[in-house]
Amino acid sequence: EAQVTQNPRYLITVTGKKLTVTCSQNMNHEYMSWYRQDPGLGLRQIYYSMNVEVTDKGDVPEGYKVSRKEKRNFPLILESPSPNQTSLYFCASSFTSGARGTQYFGPGTRLTVL
Amino acid sequence: AQTVTQSQPEMSVQEAETVTLSCTYDTSENNYYLFWYKQPPSRQMILVIRQEAYKQQNATENRFSVNFQKAAKSFSLKISDSQLGDTAMYFCAFMKHTGGYQKVTFGTGTKLQVIP
Repeated sequence: EAQVTQNPRYLITVTGKKLTVTCSQNMNHEYMSWYRQDPGLGLRQIYYSMNVEVTDKGDVPEGYKVSRKEKRNFPLILESPSPNQTSLYFCASSFTSGARGTQYFGPGTRLTVL
Repeated sequence: AQTVTQSQPEMSVQEAETVTLSCTYDTSENNYYLFWYKQPPSRQMILVIRQEAYKQQNATENRFSVNFQKAAKSFSLKISDSQLGDTAMYFCAFMKHTGGYQKVTFGTGTKLQVIP
């Protein structure tokens, strides 16, 4: 089954404790993105990747890191999480940019930073 | 930078009736793509419909259609014959299409309630 998976689905952590949220897709997509969703703000793009070793900042990259060492994986790293990073996070992937490259979203990761 | 505005935070519609959700955007780009996504209570993001800016014809997917007015920078979603399963948050999204970029801007969403 074609899908985007994220792990963990739920995470509660404390300020400053490094964490990684994994994202994996099995559709051989070139593009992958990370978003955060906050009430009243919709989804905001954190980082995106056009292919292996090629990444670029979205609208809210501060406090996050990403890497794309393999085509299927695109982990999101919070080196020193803070409470303002408490949010619902989505990973998405697509074949190509544009409308042909419809984004497929993962199920989301609910992160709480205390 | 692009902005996407959804001016209706919440809407309701009677089952079987028609409802229109509005979306406006601001951009200086000429090549771009527009999307409507649905987010039911499960939180899963589901593509409803998409539109290429270079196409004049409005996109249609079964009961869902858009009214794309490029000059006015407007991209509204019409849901016909509303069903209970249409109850969800709806997000409008803009994708810039320049040199391989995939920068995407979402609106703040419209919460749609379909009333039996």
